[in-house]
Amino acid sequence: GENVEQHPSTLSVQEGDSAVIKCTYSDSASNYFPWYKQELGKRPQLIIDIRSNVGEKKDQRIAVTLNKTAKHFSLHITETQPEDSAVYFCAAIDGTRGGSQGNLIFGKGTKLSVKP
Amino acid sequence: EADIYQTPRYLVIGTGKKITLECSQTMGHDKMYWYQQDPGMELHLIHYSYGVNSTEKGDLSSESTVSRIRTEHFPLTLESARPSHTSQYLCASSDVDLNYEQYFGPGTRLTVT
Repeated sequence: GENVEQHPSTLSVQEGDSAVIKCTYSDSASNYFPWYKQELGKRPQLIIDIRSNVGEKKDQRIAVTLNKTAKHFSLHITETQPEDSAVYFCAAIDGTRGGSQGNLIFGKGTKLSVKP
Repeated sequence: EADIYQTPRYLVIGTGKKITLECSQTMGHDKMYWYQQDPGMELHLIHYSYGVNSTEKGDLSSESTVSRIRTEHFPLTLESARPSHTSQYLCASSDVDLNYEQYFGPGTRLTVT
């Protein structure tokens, strides 16, 4: 089945700097890669996703890039603000045929701290 | 407004008690999930369901059970709570026919004393 590795586990940046979180996946059949943001005490919420037919997607200050050959994808946050402080989870869809197909496999999370 | 709801939001209970965590969604989604998460930590899938009368175990072994009698409801039951069950439980749903996005409920924070 699918396995997702996420790095780094913690990231501290100065306000205004950029932040990059990287994930690798194992299942070449995966075709959907979302990123979730979980603020302290809140539920995880989707912030951006990418499908395997594109290499990059951007939404204001956040962007995701996908390299299918290398099986890795990254989240880029530019001009970071204190409200970007949260735990970020990457995920990949489980493309395995069988019962788990269609489940999201999550990385272990990255705690991002943006210092004012 | 379409959303996913969980009750109770917080629960403190003694060892050995039977508890049911409620999850309901008005999204019209067929697929539902339960995750266990220590605050800010890794999400562990413990149960999921494709629809009515469908229940599957997730990646993390759990002593809990689930049922899916109605599309909107996906309750999770612990027959005999233990301190090791202390955690946050997140319910989620998705419409796999449209996309794979999962929508999460606000969570139930369970403490077993």
